[in-house]
Amino acid sequence: NAGVMQNPRHLVRRRGQEARLRCSPMKGHSHVYWYRQLPEEGLKFMVYLQKENIIDESGMPKERFSAEFPKEGPSILRIQQVVRGDSAAYFCASSFGLAGGGDEQFFGPGTRLTVL
Amino acid sequence: AQSVAQPEDQVNVAEGNPLTVKCTYSVSGNPYLFWYVQYPNRGLQFLLKYITGDNLVKGSYGFEAEFNKSQTSFHLKKPSALVSDSALYFCAVRAYSGNTGKLIFGQGTTLQVKP
Repeated sequence: NAGVMQNPRHLVRRRGQEARLRCSPMKGHSHVYWYRQLPEEGLKFMVYLQKENIIDESGMPKERFSAEFPKEGPSILRIQQVVRGDSAAYFCASSFGLAGGGDEQFFGPGTRLTVL
Repeated sequence: AQSVAQPEDQVNVAEGNPLTVKCTYSVSGNPYLFWYVQYPNRGLQFLLKYITGDNLVKGSYGFEAEFNKSQTSFHLKKPSALVSDSALYFCAVRAYSGNTGKLIFGQGTTLQVKP
């Protein structure tokens, strides 16, 4: 059973470009979470999605960031007009159970975004 | 506001000695508590969780953690450390109530186990 897949593993963008980060959850998981890890910091929650629905986006910056989890295909975290401060590791996690349960989240290897 | 604190940036222990990585939390309602480990340039690996029941939780690789409600703590422990345990450890909490699945992470503690 493959784990959470993320691609690309490394992404370099120049200021003003768009970054698209992809996440395929574990088989059978329908809950996806995105976290950001800035250098020398812990992980910060960004957004929680279920298929075709954004459940909690309280951690998403108000501008330039968006996320989706379509009926078919991976979840996408999209950053428009990237700035140097967006440089970070972005982790996707998935879980099997409902949000009200205590199911652990399984993390992907992360995408390391570098903005030049 | 919900929060997690890991008071030590780094913990150093000798191989074979017991280790403790500290974690305290603040959350409304009953907490779900988790420990994860991160190796360099890798994602987080789940170690163990506390949901309800026995305060002592056993997890992967010989790790265990003790939930202490009165002290709002969830310290990670291992009776005998291995060099291969050297990594970055994160404590996390999820509030019991509400529809969100988000985890609140501590800042992380680097564990160094020396031969």
